[in-house]
Amino acid sequence: DQQVKQNSPSLSVQEGRISILNCDYTNSMFDYFLWYKKYPAEGPTFLISISSIKDKNEDGRFTVFLNKSAKHLSLHIVPSQPGDSAVYFCAAVDGSGNTGKLIFGQGTTLQVKP
Amino acid sequence: DAGVIQSPRHEVTEMGQEVTLRCKPISGHNSLFWYRQTMMRGLELLIYFNNNVPIDDSGMPEDRFSAKMPNASFSTLKIQPSEPRDSAVYFCASSRDSSPLHFGNGTRLTVT
Repeated sequence: DQQVKQNSPSLSVQEGRISILNCDYTNSMFDYFLWYKKYPAEGPTFLISISSIKDKNEDGRFTVFLNKSAKHLSLHIVPSQPGDSAVYFCAAVDGSGNTGKLIFGQGTTLQVKP
Repeated sequence: DAGVIQSPRHEVTEMGQEVTLRCKPISGHNSLFWYRQTMMRGLELLIYFNNNVPIDDSGMPEDRFSAKMPNASFSTLKIQPSEPRDSAVYFCASSRDSSPLHFGNGTRLTVT
């Protein structure tokens, strides 16, 4: 049973527009979430994180929103750039507090068209 | 910063053979993690070390899998004997304390 779900396998967006990637989780004990970006033939790269005590965290063009009651988080990229084209993984810390013990979603492939 | 270094990048082997994957974590990082990525199960944690000591190996699928970390700058993941269902991309990652993981570029393993 998947505890972290990314229901959209792919997303296509025009350059300059907003990209919104969604993630749902089932375990209310999860209290820290991260987004990773992955290019082909490379390992995942950390993008942004959020603690459950917050509902928003912003870093440049990237903002993560957390809705605890809905067990939902989203990553907003504004404005989207062609270089943002990659696979985006949502991940939750497994409840142990160890930020390396991650439960990943299946990923969403983002394509930003010039 | 050289990042996490994994070798080999690709490994093709026949069923029944022993496979050894290698990882050099980032200098100064005290935790090391092995993850596996498959189409069916996505990215999943296999085992992690803290200060060279295995802490949690509950993700290791079978006794055919073993991992070691003889020192702070080197770790191996061994599969013996290998099976076709072990085909996957294996990632090594390291971190310092509670910092986010830094992943290597992975080893793509194909077992025929």
